[in-house]
Amino acid sequence: KNEVEQSPQNLTAQEGEFITINCSYSVGISALHWLQQHPGGGIVSLFMLSSGKKKHGRLIATINIQEKHSSLHITASHPRDSAVYICAALRGDTDKLIFGTGTRLQVFP
Amino acid sequence: DGGITQSPKYLFRKEGQNVTLSCEQNLNHDAMYWYRQDPGQGLRLIYYSQIVNDFQKGDIAEGYSVSREKKESFPLTVTSAQKNPTAFYLCASSHLGGTYEQYFGPGTRLTVT
Repeated sequence: KNEVEQSPQNLTAQEGEFITINCSYSVGISALHWLQQHPGGGIVSLFMLSSGKKKHGRLIATINIQEKHSSLHITASHPRDSAVYICAALRGDTDKLIFGTGTRLQVFP
Repeated sequence: DGGITQSPKYLFRKEGQNVTLSCEQNLNHDAMYWYRQDPGQGLRLIYYSQIVNDFQKGDIAEGYSVSREKKESFPLTVTSAQKNPTAFYLCASSHLGGTYEQYFGPGTRLTVT
């Protein structure tokens, strides 16, 4: 079993829909990252959080440390949100990132 | 503009040849990382460096080598000993300390035939 699990693996949505991507982890962490990978392959960091909730534009990330779970929400989704979203947990003991396998999101007009 | 550059974007090599992937950053970051991405798998750490002239093996270092002669540069050599070298390779950098955000380069897609 992977130490970081994401669900769903694939997600399609109509423009305007509310999107939720989930991430569960089984190791002790000091922070959790959400990353976005576009079709060309480049990766951009969206959020880094260790507690609570963060918001940036239409993106919201939450984390529940007790339940070892994080979610990424996209409100009013748009075709330009189509990408792979990757969750990465920063292990508290080694300071290394452990990556989930990603969620491929396609938003159709 | 500050950022990380990787070159080339696509690289093709014959089996048995060593190949070196370039990674340069002008963000004044101390830490640099090399990851490998394969379909259906999460990124895996190959090597990382926290200071010039020092580097540590990651989870899948076998068949790879690196150098860190300058703060800005962290080239990765894929040697002929790497059994499955075809993959997408990503370089990243950050300030020291795990809670800093990592900045990623655009990646190099290596195909070995």
